[in-house]
Amino acid sequence: GENVEQHPSTLSVQEGDSAVIKCTYSDSASNYFPWYKQELGKRPQLIIDIRSNVGEKKDQRIAVTLNKTAKHFSLHITETQPEDSAVYFCASSSNSGGSNYKLTFGKGTLLTVNP
Amino acid sequence: DSGVTQTPKHLITATGQRVTLRCSPRSGDLSVYWYQQSLDQGLQFLIQYYNGEERAKGNILERFSAQQFPDLHSELNLSSLELGDSALYFCASSLRTLADTQYFGPGTRLTVL
Repeated sequence: GENVEQHPSTLSVQEGDSAVIKCTYSDSASNYFPWYKQELGKRPQLIIDIRSNVGEKKDQRIAVTLNKTAKHFSLHITETQPEDSAVYFCASSSNSGGSNYKLTFGKGTLLTVNP
Repeated sequence: DSGVTQTPKHLITATGQRVTLRCSPRSGDLSVYWYQQSLDQGLQFLIQYYNGEERAKGNILERFSAQQFPDLHSELNLSSLELGDSALYFCASSLRTLADTQYFGPGTRLTVL
């Protein structure tokens, strides 16, 4: 089955710095890659996603890049703020049989932005 | 607020018992997904229903089952509960398929004593 590796598991940055989280996946047929942010005790919230027909997508301070050949994708957060502190999960879609797909999540990255 | 609702918010029960978790998807969404989140296993996909039919299965134990009703709400049934089943259970919904954005509910925290 699909395997998603996420690094690093923890990341501490100073406010205003950039943060980068990287994920690799194993299923070459995967074509949808969302990123979720989860604050302590709350639900995961989609912050950005990318599909395999594009290599990069940006939304204000957040960007995601995808390299299908290398089977990896990354989340970039610029000008980090204390409210960016949370656990970030990457995920990829993978075939679970026939035309059915499921999301496989990475283990998460705990991002801490120090004021 | 994602528009996905889950009840109950918290559930405390004993080993060997059976519980039912309920999820109402966002208005218009046909797909419902169930996830289990624990400290050691992270976010694990359990099962997906689309318009009342099972569509995809993940790491769901045989002791667990789910269904989606004609009004599109879904229930996750957990039986013969074990200590290790203690976790946060999230429901998510999307318009149709996995290619559509999934919106998560607030979760049900299950504690098995």
